[in-house]
Amino acid sequence: QQKVQQSPESLIVPEGAMTSLNCTFSDSASQYFAWYRQHSGKAPKALMSIFSNGEKEEGRFTIHLNKASLHFSLHIRDSQPSDSALYLCAVKGTQVVGQLTFGSGTRLQVYA
Amino acid sequence: NSKVIQTPRYLVKGQGQKAKMRCIPEKGHPVVFWYQQNKNNEFKFLINFQNQEVLQQIDMTEKRFSAECPSNSPCSLEIQSSEAGDSALYLCASSLSASYAEQFFGPGTRLTVL
Repeated sequence: QQKVQQSPESLIVPEGAMTSLNCTFSDSASQYFAWYRQHSGKAPKALMSIFSNGEKEEGRFTIHLNKASLHFSLHIRDSQPSDSALYLCAVKGTQVVGQLTFGSGTRLQVYA
Repeated sequence: NSKVIQTPRYLVKGQGQKAKMRCIPEKGHPVVFWYQQNKNNEFKFLINFQNQEVLQQIDMTEKRFSAECPSNSPCSLEIQSSEAGDSALYLCASSLSASYAEQFFGPGTRLTVL
């Protein structure tokens, strides 16, 4: 059964900082890797996703995947107070209609 | 913004009572998932549907929950006899197709079992 773990559990950074969030997974055959963001009382919303090894950048956000290390990460450049939220990594296995397996989140707080 | 609608937003039940929540997936999304998010933010997959058919469900859902996604009506998830451990945020998500990975979530129904 897929195990997904996130680190750190919480993070407090100043506005403008680079923030790095980490996620490890256990099934090397996993096919889809995503970061979701959940503001308090709101729906989790997909931020970025990646299917194959490498890096993808969208605006201030970069996702990096290394399947051999069973690790992917999210980097936020120039962190803003509006980035304060719960960040969840999610992995999809090889089943066609398989569910996402989520980590238990990193609570990020960005202060002005 | 996601257009997955979940009702009610909050639900309070006594132990042993039934608890029912509903979900309207995004228009054109035939695949629906239900997850349970506990107070430690841990997600547990409960069940998923493609159109009206169950694709997968876990043991707990099979035994104590009933769920359906009838055509032209909201999907629903009902706990037959609520337990204190069922207190959680129940999230509904929908997806474009069985092979499409991204899931779009609703805001959830927060269930408190007293």
